[in-house]
Amino acid sequence: AQKITQTQPGMFVQEKEAVTLDCTYDTSDPSYGLFWYKQPSSGEMIFLIYQGSYDQQNATEGRYSLNFQKARKSANLVISASQLGDSAMYFCAMIIYGYNKLIFGAGTRLAVHP
Amino acid sequence: DGGITQSPKYLFRKEGQNVTLSCEQNLNHDAMYWYRQDPGQGLRLIYYSQIVNDFQKGDIAEGYSVSREKKESFPLTVTSAQKNPTAFYLCASSPAQDSITYEQYFGPGTRLTVT
Repeated sequence: AQKITQTQPGMFVQEKEAVTLDCTYDTSDPSYGLFWYKQPSSGEMIFLIYQGSYDQQNATEGRYSLNFQKARKSANLVISASQLGDSAMYFCAMIIYGYNKLIFGAGTRLAVHP
Repeated sequence: DGGITQSPKYLFRKEGQNVTLSCEQNLNHDAMYWYRQDPGQGLRLIYYSQIVNDFQKGDIAEGYSVSREKKESFPLTVTSAQKNPTAFYLCASSPAQDSITYEQYFGPGTRLTVT
């Protein structure tokens, strides 16, 4: 069965420092995609970054990078130079080719301190 | 401005009443989705639709119904059969029926409270 695991319910980071949010996934399908979304207190889900299972390079989008380790089935999100506005819930999600459904982890609440 | 609208943002109903949540998109996306989020948890898929006049059950469809009569609209009805309807409901859409590369775009959500 497909599953996403986020083992960190909450994380703290000092402003301007980097932080890594963990995500492991479970699937036997060879074709899949991994996403990270940010959910501020207002509730909307904001897309951050995407990694395909066949992508050779780790995805990067500005201050966000995805540390994709396929053999370990992990897709950790790295946020560099944290800002106060990064305080939010962060969700890792997976989609399996042909199923068109996103499977979400339980999320990690990140708090950025000044 | 392209996007997804959900109305209302907050909705209150008495137990035993059906309630319909609105979701409209002007992104010309084929696929649309409904998710439920409970406090401190991730999103769970209720229903999804890949084309007009067709939809499939997600992981927690019991007590819910949907329709997809127009490409732009995917309303969700929470029926009285849903045992724990109080939750945050998010609608999403994506460009292609069957792709893993397209992100899903989310609406702002509707917070439903049933007492």
